[in-house]
Amino acid sequence: ETGVTQTPRHLVMGMTNKKSLKCEQHLGHNAMYWYKQSAKKPLELMFVYNFKEQTENNSVPSRFSPECPNSSHLFLHLHTLQPEDSALYLCASSAYRGKDEQFFGPGTRLTVL
Amino acid sequence: DAKTTQPNSMESNEEEPVHLPCNHSTISGTDYIHWYRQLPSQGPEYVIHGLTSNVNNRMASLAIAEDRKSSTLILHRATLRDAAVYYCILTDTGTASKLTFGTGTRLQVTL
Repeated sequence: ETGVTQTPRHLVMGMTNKKSLKCEQHLGHNAMYWYKQSAKKPLELMFVYNFKEQTENNSVPSRFSPECPNSSHLFLHLHTLQPEDSALYLCASSAYRGKDEQFFGPGTRLTVL
Repeated sequence: DAKTTQPNSMESNEEEPVHLPCNHSTISGTDYIHWYRQLPSQGPEYVIHGLTSNVNNRMASLAIAEDRKSSTLILHRATLRDAAVYYCILTDTGTASKLTFGTGTRLQVTL
């Protein structure tokens, strides 16, 4: 248990669906991150939020829309995804956007049909 | 970003020390060396990090070469629970939020 929870743990959706992934951290951290881990590919950073403000968008397609309403919660809204978007989506948090270690959640396994 | 090179896989016997190497010949003076690991079906987990001096914590030790072009993660007594993919990552102090993961080293631990 890392103090970072993600729901749902598994999600299957069609290409026309709209769904959201949720991440919550109970560590009092101020920075939160979304990563994508595709099969046989390294983990890729998608978005970074620091004190609720987006500070990094790593050229992510607009069909992925992040939202950070407060420092404890992070969402990833999904719409009109493609089958190649199937992957493990990981959320992480750190004390602040700096040299502190990142704590990762268990991930949401997403399958797009 | 400066890159790291790690062996794809390593094997170890349980309760023996494991030395996981990482080469980073293009490291800059402000780059920290971080190690994370990812156990099966879990998110990555922080292991240790350092800048110039060797570092020890409850999980592992980090030995950094004098010229900083390589480093070694040392697990003093490997257990079956240490079987994971180990990632060596460089981060600039100014952009330390950007963890750029490579393919890492898959460590197998056998009885």
